[in-house]
Amino acid sequence: DTEVTQTPKHLVMGMTNKKSLKCEQHMGHRAMYWYKQKAKKPPELMFVYSYEKLSINESVPSRFSPECPNSSLLNLHLHALQPEDSALYLCASSQDHGIGPQHFGDGTRLSIL
Amino acid sequence: AQSVTQLGSHVSVSEGALVLLRCNYSSSVPPYLFWYVQYPNQGLQLLLKYTTGATLVKGINGFEAEFKKSETSFHLTKPSAHMSDAAEYFCAVSEGGGTGRRALTFGSGTRLQVQP
Repeated sequence: DTEVTQTPKHLVMGMTNKKSLKCEQHMGHRAMYWYKQKAKKPPELMFVYSYEKLSINESVPSRFSPECPNSSLLNLHLHALQPEDSALYLCASSQDHGIGPQHFGDGTRLSIL
Repeated sequence: AQSVTQLGSHVSVSEGALVLLRCNYSSSVPPYLFWYVQYPNQGLQLLLKYTTGATLVKGINGFEAEFKKSETSFHLTKPSAHMSDAAEYFCAVSEGGGTGRRALTFGSGTRLQVQP
């Protein structure tokens, strides 16, 4: 069983919808990450939170809005997405940014109609 | 800057044969190196990691990797392949320490097929 839980597992949304992806970990990790993974490609880093503060934004379009309400939770708010945003969205956590390996959730498979 | 090159996007072996997946890295500071495995419709699972110390690292499911600084390599091996090893494998590097790019940089991945 994965120690990083992501919900929902699948999400289909239209380009005008607003939805959120959720990620939770209870390992006491202080760094959390969002990645985007297209088919047959490696994960691409989107955001890094360290101690609940955004530390890295890899030039991600503003239609993706991350939020870290507390040290265990990470959200990704979605609005006005494009078809090319369809992908697997992975959440990960680590002891601290750059310390300890990253533990990944099973992802949310997102499809934009 | 850091980068990872995985030689061979597809590797096919027979069940019981040696598995060798190649990974070369570049890093301006001492690297932390990782191998992850991804099964269909799942996230990434950590197989093993190298940070400091012993250069031969043992991981889960019988896999091991050796850090060779002179060759800038971190190849993944398993003496005897099992059907359940069929998956996508990613090598990743981060720059250890406080000043380097601590985020993970992934290689392009190697799909391992195991033939009966």
